[in-house]
Amino acid sequence: NAGVMQNPRHLVRRRGQEARLRCSPMKGHSHVYWYRQLPEEGLKFMVYLQKENIIDESGMPKERFSAEFPKEGPSILRIQQVVRGDSAAYFCASSPGPNSNYGYTFGSGTRLTVV
Amino acid sequence: AQTVTQSQPEMSVQEAETVTLSCTYDTSESDYYLFWYKQPPSRQMILVIRQEAYKQQNATENRFSVNFQKAAKSFSLKISDSQLGDAAMYFCASNSNSGYALNFGKGTSLLVTP
Repeated sequence: NAGVMQNPRHLVRRRGQEARLRCSPMKGHSHVYWYRQLPEEGLKFMVYLQKENIIDESGMPKERFSAEFPKEGPSILRIQQVVRGDSAAYFCASSPGPNSNYGYTFGSGTRLTVV
Repeated sequence: AQTVTQSQPEMSVQEAETVTLSCTYDTSESDYYLFWYKQPPSRQMILVIRQEAYKQQNATENRFSVNFQKAAKSFSLKISDSQLGDAAMYFCASNSNSGYALNFGKGTSLLVTP
């Protein structure tokens, strides 16, 4: 079991470009969560998805950010027209059921640097 | 909104000694879960230990144990017989009201010295 796979591990984008972050959940997990970790901060919830559905995106910035989890393929977090303030580590986690009572399994994160 | 507070940005412990990391939280829920995660330099978030709020018995995982004080909303992590590999950021977290999101503290950086 390969665990939660995130790629790329590091991503550098110029201001105004688009960033696409990918997450493949653990085998058998159909619930995916994205978190953002700003420097010197803990992780902040962004969005919760099940296959083909966004369940809760209350932590997502209203503009430029979107997420999907298609029927086939990985979950994608997309950031359009990136700005320096988007520089952070973005973590994906997955779980077999719709709650975090047993914790999740996290990926190793994607570190986004906007220059 | 639930909040999790870790008041120790950094802690240091000598190898083989014991260290306690503090965490307090705020919630209006009666049933919830609490967690400690370890984040080594590799950035991987690793679940260390979890506690169910309705259980009075403190959770234990090998050298890791918690002191859960529900009335005080305190959830500290004790690491016994510290090892060099324990050096990492440690994050305390709780369930949110939704049951699926986790609320994290800002973390405590643990340094282990030989």
